[in-house]
Amino acid sequence: AQSVTQPDIHITVSEGASLELRCNYSYGATPYLFWYVQSPGQGLQLLLKYFSGDTLVQGIKGFEAEFKRSQSSFNLRKPSVHWSDAAEYFCAVGPPSGGYQKVTFGTGTKLQVIP
Amino acid sequence: NAGVTQTPKFQVLKTGQSMTLQCAQDMNHNSMYWYRQDPGMGLRLIYYSASEGTTDKGEVPNGYNVSRLNKREFSLRLESAAPSQTSVYFCASSEVVTGSYNEQFFGPGTRLTVL
Repeated sequence: AQSVTQPDIHITVSEGASLELRCNYSYGATPYLFWYVQSPGQGLQLLLKYFSGDTLVQGIKGFEAEFKRSQSSFNLRKPSVHWSDAAEYFCAVGPPSGGYQKVTFGTGTKLQVIP
Repeated sequence: NAGVTQTPKFQVLKTGQSMTLQCAQDMNHNSMYWYRQDPGMGLRLIYYSASEGTTDKGEVPNGYNVSRLNKREFSLRLESAAPSQTSVYFCASSEVVTGSYNEQFFGPGTRLTVL
C-alpha cells in the first residue's frame, strides 16, 4: 500500500531564510508525487507535481522539489521565504495510472514565518 | 469563473440532525470529490464521482451519502450527524486523463461542528 510521511508537524523560519520541507513516500514503483499548499481558511492549491524526467521540478510561487529515488524522498524547497508563505503544506502520492481517488495525502507541515 | 464553490461555510449541528453540504464547479470537470480534513490526519476521501451519474466510496464513507445532481453539482449528506463527523469538508474537481493528473481544484471548505 502506498503511504507518505511528513516528519515535521510544524516548522518556523525567519523571513528571507531558506526552507526545506521533508516528504518520504512508500510505493512499489515510481509514483506521481505532489506538493500542495493550504493557506488559512482556504482549500488546497497545487504547487507542483512530478512523475518522470528531471528530478528537480519547479512549481508556482518560487517553490521547487527534488525527487530522490534512493531515499524515497520528495522534499520541497524555497531559497527565500516570504511572510505570505505561512501556510500548511501537504505532500501526496498517487499511482502512475492516474485518478485522484487513489491519491494519498500526508498529514501536513505547518509553516510559520517570523519577521 | 468562480471555480469550486461550497455552501455553507460554517455549520453547527446537534447529534442526530441531518444536513446537506453543497458543492458546485464551473470548470466543466467530469470528476468531483468530497474530502474531510482532521488535525494531524491530512485529507481523507469520503466519496468521489468519476463522471456524471456515477459515485463511489472513498476511504471513509460511513455515515455519509452523496448525489451527483448534474455535471456541475455534487452534494454530501449527513443523515444523522455524530460528533465524530466534526471536521472541515472540502469539495474538489478535476478533469480526468488516463495515466496522468490534471490539476485538481479545491473549494474553500465547510467547517462543521457536531455537538
